[in-house]
Amino acid sequence: NAGVTQTPKFQVLKTGQSMTLQCAQDMNHEYMSWYRQDPGMGLRLIHYSVGAGITDQGEVPNGYNVSRSTTEDFPLRLLSAAPSQTSVYFCASREGMTNEKLFFGSGTQLSVL
Amino acid sequence: QKEVEQDPGPLSVPEGAIVSLNCTYSNSAFQYFMWYRQYSRKGPELLMYTYSSGNKEDGRFTAQVDKSSKYISLFIRDSQPSDSATYLCAMGYGQNFVFGPGTRLSVLP
Repeated sequence: NAGVTQTPKFQVLKTGQSMTLQCAQDMNHEYMSWYRQDPGMGLRLIHYSVGAGITDQGEVPNGYNVSRSTTEDFPLRLLSAAPSQTSVYFCASREGMTNEKLFFGSGTQLSVL
Repeated sequence: QKEVEQDPGPLSVPEGAIVSLNCTYSNSAFQYFMWYRQYSRKGPELLMYTYSSGNKEDGRFTAQVDKSSKYISLFIRDSQPSDSATYLCAMGYGQNFVFGPGTRLSVLP
């Protein structure tokens, strides 16, 4: 009963480095998304996907890249890390497009120095 | 003006107290309203959701929506130390969700 699994839990990067945050879900959900959570800002949508091969931008997509080759996996790539990308990142999935119940992973805490 | 406003707290109450958490919003297109609970270093989990104005009750929790005032509330009765968490309001229409910044609640034994 894993749900949404994110790795790694913690990561420290230097400015300019690239990395991939992994997300996998075992609920056969069509919809997957990435959020970042910053103090006082609420959760903000970075990118989302409505199925394998289909992705779209959210509210704050700059500096991030995504792809969806399978239903289960939705990795988030930081192309050239910047201190402004220091945040907690959450992957979330839900069944269908308008189901209100989002299932969240436990998050990745990222620091960019 | 932010689309969703929520007092960040922190809010500290004694065990057994009634807790009231609130959000206001500006977008009249919102059709469904949710409360998520987030424990420290964990992802948010859905606590309650509703589509209509009025009250919805689930155990010790009551969600209240007033669409005319663009105001939603979550009431927690007989609060317990295990209720200590950050509570996020969220609202949406279609596939669009907007989250409030969250209110941090501490219930003291």
